[in-house]
Amino acid sequence: QKEVEQNSGPLSVPEGAIASLNCTYSDRGSQSFFWYRQYSGKSPELIMFIYSNGDKEDGRFTAQLNKASQYVSLLIRDSQPSDSATYLCAVRAGGFKTIFGAGTRLFVKA
Amino acid sequence: DTAVSQTPKYLVTQMGNDKSIKCEQNLGHDTMYWYKQDSKKFLKIMFSYNNKELIINETVPNRFSPKSPDKAHLNLHINSLELGDSAVYFCASSPETGSRNTIYFGEGSWLTVV
Repeated sequence: QKEVEQNSGPLSVPEGAIASLNCTYSDRGSQSFFWYRQYSGKSPELIMFIYSNGDKEDGRFTAQLNKASQYVSLLIRDSQPSDSATYLCAVRAGGFKTIFGAGTRLFVKA
Repeated sequence: DTAVSQTPKYLVTQMGNDKSIKCEQNLGHDTMYWYKQDSKKFLKIMFSYNNKELIINETVPNRFSPKSPDKAHLNLHINSLELGDSAVYFCASSPETGSRNTIYFGEGSWLTVV
């Protein structure tokens, strides 16, 4: 079983719609959860982090965490073509290792 | 100012050669990393140093040797390069030990072995 799993996509949504990206993880001891965005040919950049169960909102982005289900998601409201990228879920358990999922490719159609 | 900078950005070399990638961070972070991203875009940790001490050493061929002269620098030396080493190598840093930290990536070094 992979440590952090994501649907590779591509996920295609029309402009203005809500994009929903999902991630599951295997280590129940995981404590910190991150979403990174990576444009083609660029490095990953942090969008959001979440530590506690529930929702965390930042602008058009909402991260959701359910530790009991070992599930974390990212919602992008009012999706824009500029949101088209690969979204990486990352999970950190105790210690120094942050594990990344393989990423979900998102296309937002104008 | 670039927070995490790595050089070179592009590197094309022949099989069997030895090459190095250098990384520097000016964020004052204690922990630095090398990640490898393959053609399928999977980002996998290779090494991590905390205050010049090696703390993560994943299952990586011993042809790969990291070196951290101080906590702001982490270099990666690769001996006897193979075709399968072609990938993007990202240097990264994070501000603190423990579980609640964020990783900041450099721009990546595109290595092509021919």
